[in-house]
Amino acid sequence: AQSVTQLGSHVSVSEGALVLLRCNYSSSVPPYLFWYVQYPNQGLQLLLKYTSAATLVKGINGFEAEFKKSETSFHLTKPSAHMSDAAEYFCAVSDSGGGADGLTFGKGTHLIIQP
Amino acid sequence: SAVISQKPSRDICQRGTSLTIQCQVDSQVTMMFWYRQQPGQSLTLIATANQGSEATYESGFVIDKFPISRPNLTFSTLTVSNMSPEDSSIYLCSGLQGEGETQYFGPGTRLLVL
Repeated sequence: AQSVTQLGSHVSVSEGALVLLRCNYSSSVPPYLFWYVQYPNQGLQLLLKYTSAATLVKGINGFEAEFKKSETSFHLTKPSAHMSDAAEYFCAVSDSGGGADGLTFGKGTHLIIQP
Repeated sequence: SAVISQKPSRDICQRGTSLTIQCQVDSQVTMMFWYRQQPGQSLTLIATANQGSEATYESGFVIDKFPISRPNLTFSTLTVSNMSPEDSSIYLCSGLQGEGETQYFGPGTRLLVL
């Protein structure tokens, strides 16, 4: 069965600094991986997804993630943090194309941006 | 991309009662799902809502507690039955659509059971 581990329930960075949110996965088949963001009192918004086309995936709001099979990782980065990036971030995995079996989510990482 | 709405957005309910949550998509989706997000936790898949047939439930979730309907390609309901305070959560629906079959989420229904 697939699983996702997000390292760090809370990450704090200064405005303008690099954002790095870690995600490691376990899957018995080539995975499809996703990053979602949840702003306070809102639903989930898709940031980006990996579907085996390219290992470096660019998403919205300046975020990107790199798929590393050897490390079973899919870490999310952004070169320069903005105050509006403060939110909860979830990494998710699906064994099928887009989640035909639903998604398995990590526990989430709360990103705090210090002014 | 699909736009998903849910009703109600939030509710406060008494234990022992039931609440039905509606999920409406503005365009056809191939699959619909229901998730639960308990306070401070991640999302857990409850079930896949199948059009015209019984939903497919994940381990730990049963139809008697969470009956689900999906009468057409754009609408689904989830009922939380015989509620207890442990059912206090955010319930989110999602739909699968488009190139690469992306899963889009609704804003969630915030449920508090007293």
